[in-house]
Amino acid sequence: NAGVTQTPKFQVLKTGQSMTLQCAQDMNHEYMSWYRQDPGMGLRLIHYSVGAGITDQGEVPNGYNVSRSTTEDFPLRLLSAAPSQTSVYFCASSYRRHSLANTGELFFGEGSRLTVL
Amino acid sequence: KNEVEQSPQNLTAQEGEFITINCSYSVGISALHWLQQHPGGGIVSLFMLSSGKKKHGRLIATINIQEKHSSLHITASHPRDSAVYICAASGGGADGLTFGKGTHLIIQP
Repeated sequence: NAGVTQTPKFQVLKTGQSMTLQCAQDMNHEYMSWYRQDPGMGLRLIHYSVGAGITDQGEVPNGYNVSRSTTEDFPLRLLSAAPSQTSVYFCASSYRRHSLANTGELFFGEGSRLTVL
Repeated sequence: KNEVEQSPQNLTAQEGEFITINCSYSVGISALHWLQQHPGGGIVSLFMLSSGKKKHGRLIATINIQEKHSSLHITASHPRDSAVYICAASGGGADGLTFGKGTHLIIQP
């Protein structure tokens, strides 16, 4: 199993450019989410989804868009990159409802380091 | 909004010592996650707790729902345990997770 696949691992953008961070999981997880990690701030939730066609905002959604057209994919779009979006981004997935069949474990992608100049 | 506080922020110990990392949260939750992040960035799930205690190898996680507090213990610590340990609270009315800022653990040989 591939688990959670996140691409690209590294990206440098100029202010105003757009890009998409890709996230895909092959575990049939309902819940997918995007976080950014900044020094001294911990992980902060950007957007999340509890199923195909359903997305919602997290703590720091401004400047980011998401969509969930399939269970497997949850891309994060930066429409007009700003230096404040320089960060490390993580995608994660899990089963939404905890049951005897699973542990509710969170599965993370390897992270994407984004620099906006 | 749930507030998640971890302590200590930094911890340096000698190999073999018993390690305790604490996590407190401000509102009721459905689950508490403990995560490990090694240098180089990958994040791995260690435990998810709704109540009581879980054990995996040398790692033990406990939660006290009434006191809104969880602890992660490492017995017979080893240099390979050096990492950042993060707790995260889920539930409390929202589907998202709220994270602590992490505890940076260094185990010296």
